[in-house]
Amino acid sequence: GAVVSQHPSWVICKSGTSVKIECRSLDFQATTMFWYRQFPKQSLMLMATSNEGSKATYEQGVEKDKFLINHASLTLSTLTVTSAHPEDSSFYICSASVEVLTEAFFGQGTRLTVV
Amino acid sequence: DAKTTQPPSMDCAEGRAANLPCNHSTISGNEYVYWYRQIHSQGPQYIIHGLKNNETNEMASLIITEDRKSSTLILPHATLRDTAVYYCIVTGSGLTFGKGTHLIIQP
Repeated sequence: GAVVSQHPSWVICKSGTSVKIECRSLDFQATTMFWYRQFPKQSLMLMATSNEGSKATYEQGVEKDKFLINHASLTLSTLTVTSAHPEDSSFYICSASVEVLTEAFFGQGTRLTVV
Repeated sequence: DAKTTQPPSMDCAEGRAANLPCNHSTISGNEYVYWYRQIHSQGPQYIIHGLKNNETNEMASLIITEDRKSSTLILPHATLRDTAVYYCIVTGSGLTFGKGTHLIIQP
């Protein structure tokens, strides 16, 4: 299958700082990218959907000013957690697909710990 | 997206076929059935998807009932590395994950 690379794999940051997570589709052009968050022993929760060149669509309850998503090219989307707090500590996962109805390929995830 | 129901956990002996059921009785005509799995602390891995015909690839087979209200994912010869949480997702757009089935392969 296609490869989606997520960076960094893990990050520890201080409360109040911002953290940027990158998601790259390495061997295909991703029209649509998705961002998920997963807390321990829970399922993945969709945060937002982004299409290249347009604003992201956020799920209900997800603060768009706190979780900034940029999808500037067909191979790169970034998620910036602004003014991070300990409750933002979680496993963040991106996925990418060529079109909405084709299979999505997932990155390896980023474990964020805010101290 | 239609709701899916999966058993929370299942055991299977190594080398045997693992059959994972999924109910999706409210599926609509343009919704696909997708299966993903997640091994602990990794991103989900795509397995297979289908609309109404049975599908097979190098990883698994997907059997969809004629009325499309349920499906079964078959791992033909389970190995210890197949231990994971398996998610059945029915969608016409993005992927919404439920709680999945925790499949444990026993040696």
